[in-house]
Amino acid sequence: SQTIHQWPATLVQPVGSPLSLECTVEGTSNPNLYWYRQAAGRGLQLLFYSVGIGQISSEVPQNLSASRPQDRQFILSSKKLLLSDSGFYLCAWSGVAGEETQYFGPGTRLLVL
Amino acid sequence: DAKTTQPTSMDCAEGRAANLPCNHSTISGNEYVYWYRQIHSQGPQYIIHGLKNNETNEMASLIITEDRKSSTLILPHATLRDTAVYYCIVRGDSWGKLQFGAGTQVVVTP
Repeated sequence: SQTIHQWPATLVQPVGSPLSLECTVEGTSNPNLYWYRQAAGRGLQLLFYSVGIGQISSEVPQNLSASRPQDRQFILSSKKLLLSDSGFYLCAWSGVAGEETQYFGPGTRLLVL
Repeated sequence: DAKTTQPTSMDCAEGRAANLPCNHSTISGNEYVYWYRQIHSQGPQYIIHGLKNNETNEMASLIITEDRKSSTLILPHATLRDTAVYYCIVRGDSWGKLQFGAGTQVVVTP
């Protein structure tokens, strides 16, 4: 069966510091991968998606970037964090075609101080 | 993707069926109805989805009206662990973006 991992689970970072969040998927090949952010008390916002290694599409211009160095690895980064980057970051995967049901990871809670 | 409307909150007694409504009057012919739920501080969990026919799995049943303008998620025997925010989402089959609205906060009480 497929499993999706995210780490770290929680993170407290000062403003201006760099960020690296990692997501890995097991049990499937060539998945579509997604990064979402959920601000406190709000819905999920799609940040990036990837259909293959090195292929990244951005949904919202922002202080963040994403990379996919391996088929089942998706990384969310920032060179300098802002207070507004605080939130709950969720990685998801789906199959490559058809209905593409998305399955979410456990999330990383980021607090920027 | 079509917009959905859900009640803000609802309570359900443990052991009873929970019926969660969703309106999606602008749904188009190739759009699916998806249901997810999010337990506090966890990632959203996929529940079920459907296009036209009613669907059932080990978690829930999905009833879609004939005109497809509304649907109902049924949790047959609610437990305390079913307390969560439930999201009804409509999306097409060619694009992976999911639009999460505010959802319905379901509280299951003993």
